[in-house]
Amino acid sequence: EIVLTQSPGTLSLSPGERATLSCRASQTVTNNYLAWYQQKPGQAPRLLIYGASSRATGIPDRISGSGSGTDFTLTISRLEPGDFAVYYCQRYGYIPITFGQGTRLEIK
Amino acid sequence: EVQLVESGGGLVRPGRSVRLSCTASGFTFSDYTISWFRQAPGKGLEWVGFIRSETFGGTVEYAASVKDRFNISRDDSKSIAYLQMSSLKTEDTAVYHCSRSSKAGGSGWYTSWGQGTLVTVSS
Repeated sequence: EIVLTQSPGTLSLSPGERATLSCRASQTVTNNYLAWYQQKPGQAPRLLIYGASSRATGIPDRISGSGSGTDFTLTISRLEPGDFAVYYCQRYGYIPITFGQGTRLEIK
Repeated sequence: EVQLVESGGGLVRPGRSVRLSCTASGFTFSDYTISWFRQAPGKGLEWVGFIRSETFGGTVEYAASVKDRFNISRDDSKSIAYLQMSSLKTEDTAVYHCSRSSKAGGSGWYTSWGQGTLVTVSS
């Protein structure tokens, strides 16, 4: 089973700043089957990125994903108030589907 | 508009059973794999299992933590997926979400999610 480790656990930044979130896999993520989700309290997850770097429909281009193999990054440039939430990476396409433990992005 | 609505949650005694439903609308339900995920209070996301479209045999896959206790099925005529949960344990307490995979034959990425239904397992 591939284990995904996200860092940092909590990231404190101000609106307008740049956020860099990391997701490291214990084994190579085949075909870059890596997605990123945003979740706000009491809400369902929202898909941001799939295939490591493809933005989902409606996601602005200030949100981007990169990486391959075992190291992946979600970057949010110019943070807006609505960006402060918990972010999860997910390995899909193979069984079991696994998630990282999440990174909490909070307002500094 | 794609919509997924879960129902059937509530308070359940340990060792008992409950069936959750996921009612879909806004897309051709039979064309997609449907997954169930859960989130324990204050914790992260966990995959529970999925059912492939009938085109791919309607076969199911489960996480090790629920295999042999949970069963996923679907009724394409009603656009509903079910999660039958039995031999429930306190650690099964969570919000359960259903979600539509981007693929018919297994796990793709998940663009559409229901808001979830809370299952509390407690005596």
